This record gives sequence, structure tokens and C-alpha cells, in this order.
Amino acid sequence: DVKVTQSSRYLVKRTGEKVFLECVQDMDHENMFWYRQDPGLGLRLIYFSYDVKMKEKGDIPEGYSVSREKKERFSLILESASTNQTSMYLCASSSGGPGELFFGEGSRLTVL
Amino acid sequence: LAKTTQPISMDSYEGQEVNITCSHNNIATNDYITWYQQFPSQGPRFIIQGYKTKVTNEVASLFIPADRKSSTLSLPRVSLSDTAVYYCLVGPGGTGRRALTFGSGTRLQVQP
Repeated sequence: DVKVTQSSRYLVKRTGEKVFLECVQDMDHENMFWYRQDPGLGLRLIYFSYDVKMKEKGDIPEGYSVSREKKERFSLILESASTNQTSMYLCASSSGGPGELFFGEGSRLTVL
Repeated sequence: LAKTTQPISMDSYEGQEVNITCSHNNIATNDYITWYQQFPSQGPRFIIQGYKTKVTNEVASLFIPADRKSSTLSLPRVSLSDTAVYYCLVGPGGTGRRALTFGSGTRLQVQP
């Protein structure tokens, strides 16, 4: 089975802190994605990557950056966390074929 | 990007068939239609995918008309455990490098 692992299920950070959310997949997938999910807003795409060192902005990239140094790992970075970034963050991966996404369990981030 | 529109919520009773329709008027020629199910505090999981006509698997059917501008997820004989949010996703097949953006989803509530 495909496994997408997110490093932390729950995090609490303070405003202004730098936050790293890590995601690792074990199926050699080319594509990886970061979404955030807020009540009533569904899943919104932050960034995605279709290859190592490649990244593309999604719908809401402001305040975030990403890093993909290895194929299996895709990191989401909040350079200076703010309270409006309190959310559930979901990582996903897919192969190069039709868009079946495999999701991790999510990381619930609270910024105080 | 192919924007999707779904009903915000639906109610049903155990044992009934539930049909959830998704509109995607500007679907591209190489786009597939994929449906996901999400339970609280979990990442979405794949239900079914199709390109045209009808697809059936052990949990659902997907109906796609000839113009492909909409699709209908059919859940036969729902149970309480089918209470979840259902998302329709339209995205490229092959090596398409477009973002995969979710709509707001449909919250299905199954009553006893």
C-alpha cells in the first residue's frame, strides 16, 4: 500500500516562529502536493511539485514556501507563522498517471 | 483549471441510494474525474475514477454523460458509515502537470 507520512499530527507554535511540515511518500511518486483545509472552505492547494527541485504555486501560496530536495520528501515551510495559518495541513502524492491522490493523515497546526 | 461545483450538503437514510452530482463545465479533453471521501480528522481517500460513460467498483458507480460537463457519484444502499464529505476532482491524466484543485465538497449525512 502507498504510504504518505506527515511528520507531526499536532503542532502548536507561536506567532513569528518558523515552522516546518514534513511529508514523505514511499511509492516513488513524481507529484506531491500541500493543501490546507479549513471549515467551510474545503481543500485549498498551497503548492505542488512534479519533480525534484521543481515547485509550482497553487491557489494560496502567500506566506508559505516549499522544498523538494529528494523525490520522496516534500516540505512545507512557514517562514513566520501567523494566527491565520492555524489550519489542518494535508500532504498528498500521485504518480504521473490519472489524478489519483494518496493523502497523509494531516497535520493540525495551531499558531498562538 | 476545471472548476467544480457540488451541492453543499445532502441528507439520506440508511439503505437508500445516494446520487451526488458535480458540474465541471470547462473540463479539458485529457482530464479525468475522480471522487474522494473524507472522514473527520483524516485525509481524503480515493473512491472511484472515470473518463467517460459509466464506471463501477465495489463501493460506487460513476456516471459521466457524453459531453463530460458533469458527473454523478452513486452510492448504493448507504449506511451510517457513509456519512462523510465527498469531493469531486477533475485533473489531467498522463504526465499533465496542472494543479489538482478540489471544490468545496458535499457533506452527506446518513440517518438511521
